[in-house]
Amino acid sequence: DQQVKQNSPSLSVQEGRISILNCDYTNSMFDYFLWYKKYPAEGPTFLISISSIKDKNEDGRFTVFLNKSAKHLSLHIVPSQPGDSAVYFCAAFWSFGNEKLTFGTGTRLTIIP
Amino acid sequence: GAVVSQHPSWVICKSGTSVKIECRSLDFQATTMFWYRQFPKQSLMLMATSNEGSKATYEQGVEKDKFLINHASLTLSTLTVTSAHPEDSSFYICSARGRGNDDEQFFGPGTRLTVL
Repeated sequence: DQQVKQNSPSLSVQEGRISILNCDYTNSMFDYFLWYKKYPAEGPTFLISISSIKDKNEDGRFTVFLNKSAKHLSLHIVPSQPGDSAVYFCAAFWSFGNEKLTFGTGTRLTIIP
Repeated sequence: GAVVSQHPSWVICKSGTSVKIECRSLDFQATTMFWYRQFPKQSLMLMATSNEGSKATYEQGVEKDKFLINHASLTLSTLTVTSAHPEDSSFYICSARGRGNDDEQFFGPGTRLTVL
């Protein structure tokens, strides 16, 4: 059972435009969400996170939105740059549980120059 | 941010041999370390969680006797793949979380294991 889903395996966006990556989850116990970026043959690097008490968190070009009623979160990258081309994973955990991160399957973002 | 290293970054071994992968937190004390495995085109799958000085907690379906995890100090955890077989070929990634750092895990660069 995939508790964290990223339904778009790939996404292509023109340089300078907005990239929107989506993530859905099914476990209502999740209360903390994170986005990771991963280049080939490297470990994931943390990008941005959001607690369930918020609906938006912004860090530079990256903004994460959380819609708890829809169990949906999205990552916005504005403006998109060629270096943003990578695989993006969303992850979730339950802070009062075992705090195990549950990852989505990832979305490959390609920024077109 | 905090730095987590893994060694080796790439290893090739013969079937039946054992391989040890090290995960080190370089500038913080990692009270908890996690080991993940990534299959091609799939998300990271948690294999086990280890807390310093105690036995690792393995996820369902992960063979404890095959994937030996030791977290002997606050800066080092090791994963030993015993009697490796070609199906163990994968990308293994560790992550570490420090004391009081509840919201973030720092990931290592990963180790590519190829078993011939």
